[in-house]
Amino acid sequence: NAGVTQTPKFRVLKTGQSMTLLCAQDMNHEYMYWYRQDPGMGLRLIHYSVGEGTTAKGEVPDGYNVSRLKKQNFLLGLESAAPSQTSVYFCASSYRGAYEQYFGPGTRLTVT
Amino acid sequence: DAKTTQPPSMDCAEGRAANLPCNHSTISGNEYVYWYRQIHSQGPQYIIHGLKNNETNEMASLIITEDRKSSTLILPHATLRDTAVYYCIVRVVSGGGYQKVTFGTGTKLQVIP
Repeated sequence: NAGVTQTPKFRVLKTGQSMTLLCAQDMNHEYMYWYRQDPGMGLRLIHYSVGEGTTAKGEVPDGYNVSRLKKQNFLLGLESAAPSQTSVYFCASSYRGAYEQYFGPGTRLTVT
Repeated sequence: DAKTTQPPSMDCAEGRAANLPCNHSTISGNEYVYWYRQIHSQGPQYIIHGLKNNETNEMASLIITEDRKSSTLILPHATLRDTAVYYCIVRVVSGGGYQKVTFGTGTKLQVIP
């Protein structure tokens, strides 16, 4: 099992550019999550999904969109990147909402 | 979810037990205690969880006080690879729906050779 994988590992964007981060899990988990982590702060939830075809907003959803077309994949999109979106992004999945979450290795994004 | 309080940092000698405390004095009856850790630059890793009984797995032991207002994560023989930030989280665990998980700033454990 690969667990939770994220693509890409690193990315540098210019302000206004767009990009999509891909998260994939092979554990047949229903729930998937996108977090961001900034220096000195804990993880903050951006969006989550409780199943294929569903998405919901987390704590800090502004500037991001997500899609869950397949159960194993959860995409995070930035339509017009801003320097404030410079962060490390983590994807996670869980069997159900109440179960422990398994995290991917992270994507380090810099917006200049 | 109940708030948790953890010391910002701790040191532990390699090979000794690391005891990481967590206060959760406002925990309610249906909230579990979860522990995760985050090794530098990696994604958080689930360690263990419990409700009121002490729990043990291959990674650690979790001791929860009888009044459930505090708990201690024990790494029995700390190694350099255990150097990480450890997060104590309390959360409701029920059948369905999204369950919020709040990661605070945790305890930075430094294992010293």
